[in-house]
Amino acid sequence: NAGVTQTPKFRVLKTGQSMTLLCAQDMNHEYMYWYRQDPGMGLRLIHYSVGEGTTAKGEVPDGYNVSRLKKQNFLLGLESAAPSQTSVYFCASSLSNRIEAFFGQGTRLTVV
Amino acid sequence: AQTVTQSQPEMSVQEAETVTLSCTYDTSESDYYLFWYKQPPSRQMILVIRQEAYKQQNATENRFSVNFQKAAKSFSLKISDSQLGDAAMYFCARPFGGGADGLTFGKGTHLIIQP
Repeated sequence: NAGVTQTPKFRVLKTGQSMTLLCAQDMNHEYMYWYRQDPGMGLRLIHYSVGEGTTAKGEVPDGYNVSRLKKQNFLLGLESAAPSQTSVYFCASSLSNRIEAFFGQGTRLTVV
Repeated sequence: AQTVTQSQPEMSVQEAETVTLSCTYDTSESDYYLFWYKQPPSRQMILVIRQEAYKQQNATENRFSVNFQKAAKSFSLKISDSQLGDAAMYFCARPFGGGADGLTFGKGTHLIIQP
């Protein structure tokens, strides 16, 4: 059972570089989410999707873009990385907003 | 923004003892869900327990139970017979509400288990 898989697990970027984080889930969930976690903070929602082809902004969307071309995949893009985007990124999926969300293992991103 | 507040940055408990982690939240909705997640050093987020606001009965999962006070907007987590494997960050969370999806998390409580 893979559940929610994030790729890559770790990455170091230079300021201004771009990259895409991939999230894949094999549970046929409609809802998918991207969060970031900074030291001393809980998780904060970046973007989310309620189904294939849909995306919406969360609490901290600036500097990020997302796409949900296939139901099982949710991509998070950084077009021009900044040091403020150094964080641990979590992807999650759920059947609905009222039940358990399943999380990936996180991606530690460092922007230098 | 609707908030979730965890007022205890760190708690320590002796192995086999009971500990309670506090959480308060604000909301303008009458029907909602509340969650406690555990994050061990492995970084994996694990659901501990879920409470449905319309249910008066407090949720229980083995050694974990909640004290849900809807009028006071309080949602504390009680861990009985604490074990070394319970050492982790614990996060309280609730849905955003207002038509938006996703969860709002508290800042977390670091639970230390003393052997």
